[in-house]
Amino acid sequence: RKEVEQDPGPFNVPEGATVAFNCTYSNSASQSFFWYRQDCRKEPKLLMSVYSSGNEDGRFTAQLNRASQYISLLIRDSKLSDSATYLCVVNLNQAGTALIFGKGTTLSVSS
Amino acid sequence: GAGVSQSPRYKVAKRGQDVALRCDPISGHVSLFWYQQALGQGPEFLTYFQNEAQLDKSGLPSDRFFAERPEGSVSTLKIQRTQQEDSAVYLCASSSITTDSLHFGNGTRLTVT
Repeated sequence: RKEVEQDPGPFNVPEGATVAFNCTYSNSASQSFFWYRQDCRKEPKLLMSVYSSGNEDGRFTAQLNRASQYISLLIRDSKLSDSATYLCVVNLNQAGTALIFGKGTTLSVSS
Repeated sequence: GAGVSQSPRYKVAKRGQDVALRCDPISGHVSLFWYQQALGQGPEFLTYFQNEAQLDKSGLPSDRFFAERPEGSVSTLKIQRTQQEDSAVYLCASSSITTDSLHFGNGTRLTVT
C-alpha cells in the first residue's frame, strides 16, 4: 500500500464549480500535512499547510481527519487558473525531513 | 539568487554515461533535498542535507547515485552508468529550517536513451 494515496483524476469542472479532493495516508504517526500545487512541467509549490482544526485560505479549505487518516482540499468558485495537479504531502517526522508526496490529482477547469 | 536554481534544465544521456546535476539553493538555506519525479508520479525523496552533512540518503535507488554538498551551499547529484529507468525530472528543494516550506527549483529533465 502506498504511503499517500490520491485519486489521480482528472477532475474536469466548469468555472465557478466547487471541487473536493481527498487523500489518505497509511502512517498513523505522520506529523504534518500539506497541499502542494504543480503546474504542467513546473516545480511543486506550497499551496497550504493542513491543520487539525481545519484551515481556510480564500477559496481553499483544507481539512485533516487523523482518526480516519485522510486529508481533504476543497476549492470553491473554481477559476481557470486553478487548473493544475494538486499533491498531497505528509511529513513523517518532527524534523520535517521525511516528506512523502502523493501522485497528485489533476484538475482541469474550463470556461 | 531569488530562487533555487538547477542546471542543466534538460539533459540527454546515452545509456552507460555518467551525469552530474547541479543545484544552487536559496542563499542561507540550511536544508537541501533531492527528489526524483517520474512522469505521472509525485516527487520521490532521494536524499537530504543539513548544511554539508548528508543526513539521509535512504531514497537513493542504487549505489550508482551519489550526492554531495561539500561547502553547505551548492549540491551536485551524480548518476553513474545511467540506465533508461533513470529518466525522470530531478528536483532540488531548499528550506531555511526543516519545518519551513520547501522551495523547489524547476528541475533537470533527464532522458536516457
